[in-house]
Amino acid sequence: ETGVTQTPRHLVMGMTNKKSLKCEQHLGHNAMYWYKQSAKKPLELMFVYSLEERVENNSVPSRFSPECPNSSHLFLHLHTLQPEDSALYLCASSQSARPTTNEKLFFGSGTQLSVL
Amino acid sequence: AQKVTQAQTEISVVEKEDVTLDCVYETRDTTYYLFWYKQPPSGELVFLIRRNSFDEQNEISGRYSWNFQKSTSSFNFTITASQVVDSAVYFCALSEATNTGTASKLTFGTGTRLQVTL
Repeated sequence: ETGVTQTPRHLVMGMTNKKSLKCEQHLGHNAMYWYKQSAKKPLELMFVYSLEERVENNSVPSRFSPECPNSSHLFLHLHTLQPEDSALYLCASSQSARPTTNEKLFFGSGTQLSVL
Repeated sequence: AQKVTQAQTEISVVEKEDVTLDCVYETRDTTYYLFWYKQPPSGELVFLIRRNSFDEQNEISGRYSWNFQKSTSSFNFTITASQVVDSAVYFCALSEATNTGTASKLTFGTGTRLQVTL
């Protein structure tokens, strides 16, 4: 139990659907992240929020739209996805709210997304 | 750009064998951090260790040990007397500050899948 909860665990959607992934952290952390994990590729950082402000958008297509309403919750809204977007989407959190490169990340179990 | 290479895609060992997972990194930063994470079948990545670039002391934690060699840009991970519960994907990662410096950004390797059998 890492203190980071993601729902749903599995999601199958068509290319025209709209769905959302949810992440909640119970650790009192100040930064939250979305990562994409595709087979045989390194984890790709998608978005970073620090103190509810987006501080990193890693050239992610606009069909992925993040939302961070408060420091405990992070959403990833999905719209008109492509089959190549099928992957494990991992949420993570870290303590930091100031410049640092040594943060330990706490990950959720991910949402396994399949786009048909 | 920062890069992490884990050349071993999959390793299979028999329980009680020792196994070393390799990690080679590239960075132009003089200050950086290296990490190892474990991803069991349940999916979540679990933090194992963090080292900073100024501390080349090797570290041992139970059956786990890490060998950091700055001269070869390597940060290898050894599991002694492996157990079935060690079966997982192991990721090496390198950190850098984000654009605004308010949160860290990790560059991950592609992972090494370790299978430990009886």
